[in-house]
Amino acid sequence: AQSVSQHNHHVILSEAASLELGCNYSYGGTVNLFWYVQYPGQHLQLLLKYFSGDPLVKGIKGFEAEFIKSKFSFNLRKPSVQWSDTAEYFCAVNAQGTGNQFYFGTGTSLTVIP
Amino acid sequence: DAGVIQSPRHEVTEMGQEVTLRCKPISGHNSLFWYRQTMMRGLELLIYFNNNVPIDDSGMPEDRFSAKMPNASFSTLKIQPSEPRDSAVYFCASSSVLRASFYSDTQYFGPGTRLTVL
Repeated sequence: AQSVSQHNHHVILSEAASLELGCNYSYGGTVNLFWYVQYPGQHLQLLLKYFSGDPLVKGIKGFEAEFIKSKFSFNLRKPSVQWSDTAEYFCAVNAQGTGNQFYFGTGTSLTVIP
Repeated sequence: DAGVIQSPRHEVTEMGQEVTLRCKPISGHNSLFWYRQTMMRGLELLIYFNNNVPIDDSGMPEDRFSAKMPNASFSTLKIQPSEPRDSAVYFCASSSVLRASFYSDTQYFGPGTRLTVL
């Protein structure tokens, strides 16, 4: 069965620090990849997605992610975090042949200290 | 575009009562998903529909849970009877199939229903 791993469960950073959140998936075929963000008390919102083409994907609010097929990874990055980035971040995979089912990671809680 | 609409936003009920959660997907989307989110278990997929047909309900925890999608613009998730351990935030999401090779476009989430069972 497909799975998505987010190894960082809780991350605490100071403002202006750089961020990298790990995401690995287990599926050998073609995938669509997503990062979602959930601000406190809100629903999940799309940050960015990768379907094909340039493996470096830029999303909203200065976030980007790099798809490395050989490593089955899709890590999320931001060069300089802000207090408003405090949220839960979820990686998700949609694998070809699995229909519309998404596989979500367990999430990474990010706290940015002013 | 109104996005995914869920109602009610908050529900407080007593153990044993029936609870019905409602979802209206984004117009034109042909897939609908029900998720449950708790601190202990994180985000869990309960069931999803393609073209109003349930495809995978393996995440439905018990027979007390049932979901229907009578048409493309409406779905319900029912819990009968409800129990305190059902307390969670229930999210509905919708998406569309990109092409026949079973790729899915972005899932768009509704605001969620916060359910508290006393």
